[in-house]
Amino acid sequence: AQSVAQPEDQVNVAEGNPLTVKCTYSVSGNPYLFWYVQYPNRGLQFLLKYITGDNLVKGSYGFEAEFNKSQTSFHLKKPSALVSDSALYFCAVRRSGNQFYFGTGTSLTVIP
Amino acid sequence: DAGVIQSPRHEVTEMGQEVTLRCKPISGHDYLFWYRQTMMRGLELLIYFNNNVPIDDSGMPEDRFSAKMPNASFSTLKIQPSEPRDSAVYFCASSPGTKNYGYTFGSGTRLTVV
Repeated sequence: AQSVAQPEDQVNVAEGNPLTVKCTYSVSGNPYLFWYVQYPNRGLQFLLKYITGDNLVKGSYGFEAEFNKSQTSFHLKKPSALVSDSALYFCAVRRSGNQFYFGTGTSLTVIP
Repeated sequence: DAGVIQSPRHEVTEMGQEVTLRCKPISGHDYLFWYRQTMMRGLELLIYFNNNVPIDDSGMPEDRFSAKMPNASFSTLKIQPSEPRDSAVYFCASSPGTKNYGYTFGSGTRLTVV
């Protein structure tokens, strides 16, 4: 089955420190991987995607993600966290039939 | 483009009443999805449409739920009769037909059934 896993329900990081939100995938064939962010009382917003090409993908708000085929991972990263980055983050894989399978989400809290 | 538009933003209703949620996808998007989000179950895909045709409704919880897409610019999700366990945030999302693109989500409808 094609899926993604987010092993951490909650990540806390101090403002200014680098942050990582983890995601691993299980996909047959070439994966189409995405990250979304959800702020309180809002819908999910697209951050970045990996389709093909460079393993390091840059996205919105200074976020980036590294596709690692050998480790089947697609971790979200940011060099310096902001308090405004506090939100819920979802990793997703595009399945056949144009469906997405979303991970369970990771709540990121950036501590001032 | 105004994005994916959902209405109402909030709905409070009594158990047993009919509830209708509405969605206007982005013009030109071939796919439309309905999701439900709860703390316990996370994001659940309820149903999705391609070119106004329902493709997969296996996520619809039970017969009380129904969804329609009468044209390319409008979809509804109906719950009849509603129950307290239906309380959740319901999201609509739309997407172009190619795999390179992600979804665009609406702001959601927060449904509370009392």
